[in-house]
Amino acid sequence: RKEVEQDPGPFNVPEGATVAFNCTYSNSASQSFFWYRQDCRKEPKLLMSVYSSGNEDGRFTAQLNRASQYISLLIRDSKLSDSATYLCVVKEKLQFGAGTQVVVTP
Amino acid sequence: DAGVIQSPRHEVTEMGQEVTLRCKPISGHNSLFWYRQTMMRGLELLIYFNNNVPIDDSGMPEDRFSAKMPNASFSTLKIQPSEPRDSAVYFCASAVLNSPLHFGNGTRLTVT
Repeated sequence: RKEVEQDPGPFNVPEGATVAFNCTYSNSASQSFFWYRQDCRKEPKLLMSVYSSGNEDGRFTAQLNRASQYISLLIRDSKLSDSATYLCVVKEKLQFGAGTQVVVTP
Repeated sequence: DAGVIQSPRHEVTEMGQEVTLRCKPISGHNSLFWYRQTMMRGLELLIYFNNNVPIDDSGMPEDRFSAKMPNASFSTLKIQPSEPRDSAVYFCASAVLNSPLHFGNGTRLTVT
């Protein structure tokens, strides 16, 4: 089993809608998680950290579910510019998921 | 802040040639990471350094790959001899302990 797994998608989302997706991790001792965004032919860029109490940054909400060993990312009021691949990472293992592709359509 | 700087941006070389990729981490960051990204395998950690010392090189594919960090502001990843299956985007990233990684623009390597 891979350390970090993500649904590759694509998630096709109408502009203005909400989309959410998860990332599962295998090591129950993991403590530090992040979401990155990667545009086509670009480097991954930090989107947000994931805190155990959950955190929100504008239209983006990250949650951690330790019991089920997954983190989630929710995007509200999707914009065309949100189209990208979203990568989760378990910092202790330095392992990235393969990414979830999100396509926001007009 | 200039961010993580990688060179070259693109490299096209013939099979059997030596390839050297370069990275300058963000000043003050004490951890440096080399990743490789392909469509098939995603982002794979090759090696990382803490305070210029290699900590984990278990991701280095084979002896053809080597990495060095002679000082806090410079690292190289060398492939000798290169093979077509080495074609990928190679990212360098740096971080301060327990903080998120910051990536460079990457080097797109094509081995023909």
